[in-house]
Amino acid sequence: QLVLTQSPSASASLGASVKLTCSLSSEHSTYAIAWHQQQPQKGPRYLMKLNSDGSHSKGAGIPDRFSGSSSGAERYLIISSLQSEDEADYYCQTWGAGIQVFGGGTKVTVL
Amino acid sequence: QVQLVQSGAEVKKPGSSVKVSCKASGGIFSSYGISWVRQAPGQGLEWMGGLIPLSGTPHYAQKFQGRVTITADEATSTAYMELSSLRSEDTAVYYCAKGRYYYETSGYFTSEAFDVWGQGTMVTVSS
Repeated sequence: QLVLTQSPSASASLGASVKLTCSLSSEHSTYAIAWHQQQPQKGPRYLMKLNSDGSHSKGAGIPDRFSGSSSGAERYLIISSLQSEDEADYYCQTWGAGIQVFGGGTKVTVL
Repeated sequence: QVQLVQSGAEVKKPGSSVKVSCKASGGIFSSYGISWVRQAPGQGLEWMGGLIPLSGTPHYAQKFQGRVTITADEATSTAYMELSSLRSEDTAVYYCAKGRYYYETSGYFTSEAFDVWGQGTMVTVSS
């Protein structure tokens, strides 16, 4: 079964970096994922598509502070130079055999 | 750049149905898939189902099989999601989202990353 697992929360200080993890079910370790940001009281916004080799393509207007990397079944979202507006929920998404799956989301708090 | 504009908020009685629309502009409607995702208050994102206009065959999450119907009108570049037998737990914001698609050797058309989202439609189910 295609499953994505995310930690419920993460925090870091203003100006620091934070690394979020999205774990694929082991038999789907080569799958690509997407990262989405949802700021409070707003709809989701596409950040990037992240491949198993770590290559990624970002959505229009996404700052360079957002990057992605991969290792095995883990997919990462790295946010550098944290800004107050980065305080949001972050969801990973993957797909296959006609279906879509979301992770449970990670709430990022900027201290 | 494709934009997705959804219909307005709805208030429905338990047991009734709701139909939400999602109109696309700025792209070729048949070149991407449309999915529907909902978010209950304080909860995460939940995929309900999607449709690749080229294939014409919708795919539904098992949870919603038999209660949801997703259709598309290519002439107006509009996708629809109808949810029936509404209950209070269906109170949520409903989003449409688009993604490129590909054809799998297993026979499925599958959407990829959702790169554009609609603004969301609040559906409230209350007696």
